[in-house]
Amino acid sequence: DAGITQSPRHKVTETGTPVTLRCHQTENHRYMYWYRQDPGHGLRLIHYSYGVKDTDKGEVSDGYSVSRSKTEDFLLTLESATSSQTSVYFCAISGWGRSYEQYFGPGTRLTVT
Amino acid sequence: GQQLNQSPQSMFIQEGEDVSMNCTSSSIFNTWLWYKQDPGEGPVLLIALYKAGELTSNGRLTAQFGITRKDSFLNISASIPSDVGIYFCAGPGASQIYGGSQGNLIFGKGTKLSVKP
Repeated sequence: DAGITQSPRHKVTETGTPVTLRCHQTENHRYMYWYRQDPGHGLRLIHYSYGVKDTDKGEVSDGYSVSRSKTEDFLLTLESATSSQTSVYFCAISGWGRSYEQYFGPGTRLTVT
Repeated sequence: GQQLNQSPQSMFIQEGEDVSMNCTSSSIFNTWLWYKQDPGEGPVLLIALYKAGELTSNGRLTAQFGITRKDSFLNISASIPSDVGIYFCAGPGASQIYGGSQGNLIFGKGTKLSVKP
């Protein structure tokens, strides 16, 4: 199994509060990704990173920001959580030369009330 | 936009039976991937395909990259209870096809497999 951890694994928060999810890898992989998974929509890319301090938007980036100050950590921030951001969030990593082959973390279940 | 269509949406089969599922796209793909997700866990990469016509196996699983480059197939032989889960196909988004920066992997909505002992 790829060395990917996500924290927290579960979180309940109120509308309007900021939330930060953390993804940590021990594989020294260059690429890191944040996805959300919702019934009827499958997995959708939020943001990704192709190196320290290098990030780009995915399909559903509105309302989310990311930061990557170290190779091993990729943070996803919801500046002001909304109920539509209730979802399961997955982090994934991939390495140079095989970047299509993404390996996923265990996920964070976020509920915004 | 790009979409991957998986069929069937769900399957309920008897243990020991073979399973076939497929994934189609209106766009050409240069890579196909197949993932499996167990309840409460992240998707796990099963097979990656890189060449049209390629046939790749992983144990009882065999996947094929369609020659039109618009489809892929996954077969599971002699199913067992632990095969239960959701199977996803995936492929690079448009930015990757043209050699852009990495990311933007798009996923089908999945085929849910249930196995009756």
